Amino acid sequence: DTGVSQNPRHKITKRGQNVTFRCDPISEHNRLYWYRQTLGQGPEFLTYFQNEAQLEKSRLLSDRFSAERPKGSFSTLEIQRTEQGDSAMYLCATKTGTGGLETQYFGPGTRLLVL
Amino acid sequence: AQSVTQPDIHITVSEGASLELRCNYSYGATPYLFWYVQSPGQGLQLLLKYFSGDTLVQGIKGFEAEFKRSQSSFNLRKPSVHWSDAAEYFCAVGAQGAGSYQLTFGKGTKLSVIP
Repeated sequence: DTGVSQNPRHKITKRGQNVTFRCDPISEHNRLYWYRQTLGQGPEFLTYFQNEAQLEKSRLLSDRFSAERPKGSFSTLEIQRTEQGDSAMYLCATKTGTGGLETQYFGPGTRLLVL
Repeated sequence: AQSVTQPDIHITVSEGASLELRCNYSYGATPYLFWYVQSPGQGLQLLLKYFSGDTLVQGIKGFEAEFKRSQSSFNLRKPSVHWSDAAEYFCAVGAQGAGSYQLTFGKGTKLSVIP
């Protein structure tokens, strides 16, 4: 247990529905990242926050995806009008500091299946 | 842009045998390098990391890795594998001075251990 929690752990939805995932970071961690991992692949960067500011988005983050981190604490990732291609594990990672030296601690992930 | 190649998709070793998992990276400067392990259905756990200094780094669970700049490699090793080491292993590179310090992962190597 890294101290990063994600809910729900599993989500099954029908195509076209909206889904929302939550990540609760380690309390003192100011940076929060979202990654997506599809079957047989490594995690791919989606977006990141420094405190409450969303500072970078990957080209993988289509306009159906939105992420928030109100008050710089927990974060949510919402997918609107889900598609079968959105089926994946969504991982949250958090770290302290503003450089690259600190370790990113990953949560257990939310596995999404779109039928 | 940085990239990571893990040439071996799947490796099978006998319990007690030695292990080496290969990782090659592409990055224009000295990278931050990481090895993570992922058990089925779980998030990622950091095994070890390299930023600078001694090119042989020790990690948890008896793992070590060696950074070889001339070969752009960061191979993971363990002298004697235990059945509990069966999992998927991911090599990752983080860029220096890139702002987000997002990680770029390889596709992973799945390790199976024969009793």
